[in-house]
Amino acid sequence: KAGVTQTPRYLIKTRGQQVTLSCSPISGHRSVSWYQQTPGQGLQFLFEYFSETQRNKGNFPGRFSGRQFSNSRSEMNVSTLELGDSALYLCASSLSLAGESDTQYFGPGTRLTVL
Amino acid sequence: AQTVTQSQPEMSVQEAETVTLSCTYDTSESDYYLFWYKQPPSRQMILVIRQEAYKQQNATENRFSVNFQKAAKSFSLKISDSQLGDAAMYFCAYRAITGGGNKLTFGTGTQLKVEL
Repeated sequence: KAGVTQTPRYLIKTRGQQVTLSCSPISGHRSVSWYQQTPGQGLQFLFEYFSETQRNKGNFPGRFSGRQFSNSRSEMNVSTLELGDSALYLCASSLSLAGESDTQYFGPGTRLTVL
Repeated sequence: AQTVTQSQPEMSVQEAETVTLSCTYDTSESDYYLFWYKQPPSRQMILVIRQEAYKQQNATENRFSVNFQKAAKSFSLKISDSQLGDAAMYFCAYRAITGGGNKLTFGTGTQLKVEL
């Protein structure tokens, strides 16, 4: 079974631009979560989607948004990019929404650099 | 809010030796899950081991085991017979059972180096 895939793997943008990152979960998984990883702040939860609905949201400004499609694929969008948005963005998928045996499987991440 | 603390930014271990990584957490919940994830250099994060808080027995996965002390809110990872492939960043993570979905709260990580 294929793992979690994220595209693109690397991205370079300039301040003020917007960016869209994509995540395809493991087949059959319906929950997708997004995390931002930076050297200074570590791993921080952005949001989680399940059945095309945002179920949980972290403490990030409204410039960060996401959505999930009927096939469970998810995208996250960052508008008006700032230098501080440079990070590794990780996507994780799991079978359901916090089921007892659920485990999150992570993708390889998208490395975003904002110049 | 839950917090997870890893007080060891870096650890080193000789190949074939045993090393213990520390993790403490803070929560007011009585039931929750705890995890150790491994992130090798430039590779994706993988689950090492998980522990359900309601289970008293410490989880074990091959060479990896945990020491879960619920009252002390401590969750350490022991790696036995360390191998070169164990070199990675290790993250301790917490997940609530109710209300948080699959949201993981991570510690800051411990960089493990394995020496010959």
